[in-house]
Amino acid sequence: DTEVTQTPKHLVMGMTNKKSLKCEQHMGHRAMYWYKQKAKKPPELMFVYSYEKLSINESVPSRFSPECPNSSLLNLHLHALQPEDSALYLCASSQDKSFAGELFFGEGSRLTVL
Amino acid sequence: GENVEQHPSTLSVQEGDSAVIKCTYSDSASNYFPWYKQELGKGPQLIIDIRSNVGEKKDQRIAVTLNKTAKHFSLHITETQPEDSAVYFCAASITWKGGGADGLTFGKGTHLIIQP
Repeated sequence: DTEVTQTPKHLVMGMTNKKSLKCEQHMGHRAMYWYKQKAKKPPELMFVYSYEKLSINESVPSRFSPECPNSSLLNLHLHALQPEDSALYLCASSQDKSFAGELFFGEGSRLTVL
Repeated sequence: GENVEQHPSTLSVQEGDSAVIKCTYSDSASNYFPWYKQELGKGPQLIIDIRSNVGEKKDQRIAVTLNKTAKHFSLHITETQPEDSAVYFCAASITWKGGGADGLTFGKGTHLIIQP
């Protein structure tokens, strides 16, 4: 199984809603990542988890809250988002934190904030 | 921090011809350089990568070259086919001191169009 699975594929939410994006991998990878991608732009790194511990937070606003319940799961909790937060949110995983192997991306969750 | 420049932003080639996409990076500490292909509505997919101890790597119709001195690397696709049409991103690894993890900085992408 060489897949990173993200749910939901599409999400529409209002600015006062609370929602979560979910990511799952069963490759035994110990590093997991959240990236944000706006239309016609490259992915931008948001968070890195290494061995279920948050390693990197790229100055992301607190309305985005990551969580890594176990080595296979990564969540992104969303609260009080702004319309400019509408984007494709990509989850990725790698064997470990040093790119010893490939970085696998999921298909993404397309978020629209109204 | 790392800055990755990618050119061209759009590349149109005839089917069967070769395509070359070039990237430069700024941080001499970067040691891993992957290339991703992203089709519409999908996540990026790794197509080839190269590490800083290697100058060239080839996988069938795809090759990547790396010039560490000049800090640039290139993607070469030969005998292009319609299914090669997509957006291609180069990337360079970044390491946070004491951060305990690596990340990738991406170039802005190249929209490759294969004309039949």
